[in-house]
Amino acid sequence: GAGVSQSPSNKVTEKGKDVELRCDPISGHTALYWYRQSLGQGLEFLIYFQGNSAPDKSGLPSDRFSAERTGGSVSTLTIQRTQQEDSAVYLCASSLDDSGKLFFGSGTQLSVL
Amino acid sequence: GESVGLHLPTLSVQEGDNSIINCAYSNSASDYFIWYKQESGKGPQFIIDIRSNMDKRQGQRVTVLLNKTVKHLSLQIAATQPGDSAVYFCAEKGTGRRALTFGSGTRLQVQP
Repeated sequence: GAGVSQSPSNKVTEKGKDVELRCDPISGHTALYWYRQSLGQGLEFLIYFQGNSAPDKSGLPSDRFSAERTGGSVSTLTIQRTQQEDSAVYLCASSLDDSGKLFFGSGTQLSVL
Repeated sequence: GESVGLHLPTLSVQEGDNSIINCAYSNSASDYFIWYKQESGKGPQFIIDIRSNMDKRQGQRVTVLLNKTVKHLSLQIAATQPGDSAVYFCAEKGTGRRALTFGSGTRLQVQP
């Protein structure tokens, strides 16, 4: 597609359930990022993938959070045993290289009840 | 520690006026800076970027100024329009760091 695509756009789940969020980056972009945005806040870095290099997981808040990127394209962010404080918008971005110019998707609004 | 922050959380301007959104950063090793615009319900959208070897860069109705001496970044929007109403984020990237660090955002409200 023309832009970064994320699904679902909204996800409501119960505390303790696992959720998977999907990101389709722009075709040809080698770098992929996940950020989290709480209501009225800035963007919090979670994880970064670049080509075949080991991902930078330094931003993941706990071991309940993990992410994969298959075939250098689609990425899935998994949150296990969700907590209410996980409620936020999860944004995915991709970039052509490591320059830092990111293109964002519209995000997944996660609500944990 | 490293941080990127904004001076004003909300800026209200009249349509047609010029807007200036400011941002301070603390990492003197940052070499790339970028401004994003985020409208309600959407992801951040790239506006303009600047590298540390420059102090000014102009786009369409927007100008970014970088003052490395005081570690200050600003976004100027000329002839502000209602469609400019959004939250604006500055972000920086340091040499060797892989991801952008974002500030907390400034909401721009354009009054008709």
